[in-house]
Amino acid sequence: DIQMTQSPSSLSASVGDRVTITCRASQTIIITKYVNWYQQRPGKAPKLLIYGASNLQTGVPSRFSGTGSGTDFTLSISSLQPEDFATYYCQQSYSTPRTFGHGTKVEVK
Amino acid sequence: QLQLQESGPGPVKPSETLSLMCSVSGGSVRSDNHYWAWIRQPPGKGLEWIGSISYNGNTYDSPFLKSRVTMSVDTTENHFSLRLRSVTAADTAVYYCARVTVQYPAGPDWFDRWGQGTLVTVTS
Repeated sequence: DIQMTQSPSSLSASVGDRVTITCRASQTIIITKYVNWYQQRPGKAPKLLIYGASNLQTGVPSRFSGTGSGTDFTLSISSLQPEDFATYYCQQSYSTPRTFGHGTKVEVK
Repeated sequence: QLQLQESGPGPVKPSETLSLMCSVSGGSVRSDNHYWAWIRQPPGKGLEWIGSISYNGNTYDSPFLKSRVTMSVDTTENHFSLRLRSVTAADTAVYYCARVTVQYPAGPDWFDRWGQGTLVTVTS
């Protein structure tokens, strides 16, 4: 199985900050496009933000972006907004079973 | 817009079978570009993929649960279902159904529509 290790597990930030979350895969994901990112607000279902490592899902603000290759992938939020305080998960679709990172909680500083 | 809605039993007793259904509206489960998935989240923990199924019954699922899981699709009623046998307290979780958009052939996939989730508690 491919393990997805996110870091940090939590971070504190302020509105307007740039935030970067990292996800490392336990084996090389040869084709970059097999990584996705989700946002989950408390008590809500996850929401797709980024698919194929860098493609913005329809309706998602452009302050979200994704990059990466090989084993290392990042989600960035260019200017944190109040509605962005949430937990973020990476996920790989390179192999079965599909696996998620353990999540990064973005909290108010 | 496509919507998914889980329905389930509420509490389930240990050793019994958990049965969930996901009703799909605003679109059809009969889609060549999509699979249909189950994902769960134990209280306070992360997300765990259970398995995915196509409208014509092709499945792929987690090896950790495979022996206890049965998934099915009803194209007439436009829903898909999950059965998880021999449950224990470790199966207590919020269960989500989701649509999987797939890029063929052998391309990546992603969960792009989710139900609101339903909490299933295993308790005697």
